[in-house]
Parts: sequence; structure tokens; C-alpha cells
Amino acid sequence: DIVMTQSPDSLAVSLGERATINCKSSQSVLYSSNNKNYLAWYQQKPGQPPKLLIYWASTRESGVPDRFSGSGSGTDFTLTISSLQAEDVAVYYCQQYYSTGVTFGQGTRLEIK
Amino acid sequence: QVQLQESGPGLVKPSQTLSLTCTVSGGSISSGDYYWSWIRQPPGKGLEWIGYIYYSGSTYYNPSLKSRVTISVDTSKNQFSLKLSSVTAADTAVYYCARALGMGYDILAFDYWGQGTLVTVSS
Repeated sequence: DIVMTQSPDSLAVSLGERATINCKSSQSVLYSSNNKNYLAWYQQKPGQPPKLLIYWASTRESGVPDRFSGSGSGTDFTLTISSLQAEDVAVYYCQQYYSTGVTFGQGTRLEIK
Repeated sequence: QVQLQESGPGLVKPSQTLSLTCTVSGGSISSGDYYWSWIRQPPGKGLEWIGYIYYSGSTYYNPSLKSRVTISVDTSKNQFSLKLSSVTAADTAVYYCARALGMGYDILAFDYWGQGTLVTVSS
């Protein structure tokens, strides 16, 4: 299994400030034949299912605000929220789909400072 | 707009079999473009992938659950189902069904999810 490890486990950021969440995979999720990173980010608010934010490590899903961005390659990835809004309070998960047995990070809880 | 809806008992006794169904609306399971999946989340914890099924019936399971899991599809009803046998309290979780795009040999991220259903294992 590919193990996904997120940091930090929780994060408090002031409104309007930048939030950064990291995700590290135990092996590369970069497929050399197409140069794509098989990495997604999800946002989960209380009582709701996860919502896909980003796939291919940096491609925003349709309708996702452009304050959300993804970066990284290989084994190290970052989700950045450029200017935190109140509605961004949630738990964020990374997920690899490089292997058929997909795995998720443990989640990062984002709160307002 | 695709919608997925889980249904099934909210309470299952230990050692019994958990059975859930996901009904897909707004799109056809038989389209061949997607893989259909079950994912669970114990209360207050993270996400665990259970398995995928393709409309043809091909399945992929989480190795840690493989001996107890069966996922099946009924294209005539536009539904797919989960059976998890020999359940214990550790199987208490919100169970989600979800859709992932298939692209060649790749199965991509989950773009549509059901609202989830809580299944409690208790006597």
C-alpha cells in the first residue's frame, strides 16, 4: 500500500491569510509515461461527504474557487488556500490513485484563528 | 447532474453481514466511463476505500477487507451493492458510495459522492 501522510494534523489560520497543507506519499505517484501525478485533494465539511477540489495534483475541479491551488510532484504535495474564507473551515484529505488500491491521508483539520 | 444515494439497515448485529445499496440517478452505470466505489469513515476518523466495481462486474477490493467484501452491480436497476460479512464494532462507520472516472487503464479521483449512511454494529 502507498501510505499518505499529511501535515499538520490541524491548523488555525486567520481570515484572509494563507493556509498550507502538506501531503507526503511513501512512494512516488508520478507516472512517467504521461508525467502526471495521481494525487487528489478533498474538502469535507461536518455532516457532508468529501468534495473533490483538485486532481492530477494541480487541476482544479470545475466550480472550485481559484483561491485553492495544488502543487508538488513525486512524493511531496501541497494544498494552498491563498486567502482563507470562513466557509473553508473543514477537514482536508489527500488521496493517491496511482495504485488501484487507493489510499487517503489521515486528514488535516483547518480552523479559523 | 449525477446523484448517488445509499440505502440499507442502520444497525447490524456482530458476526452478521452488512448490506448496502447505492442507487445512481442522472447517469447510467452501464456507460462504461466510470468505476463505482464504496468508501467508509468511522466516526471522527479518516476515509478508507473498500472497493470498486465496473459495470461489467469486474471488481477491485482493499486487500485488508478482501476476505469479507463483495461488491456487485445491477445495471437494470442502475444500482451497485456492498456486502461485508462477519462484522464487528470496528466496522461501525458512515458508508459512502462514490464515482470515479475511468481513463484507459487508470481509475481516477472520486468526483461524485452519496451523502453517506451510518451503519452501527451492535447487539
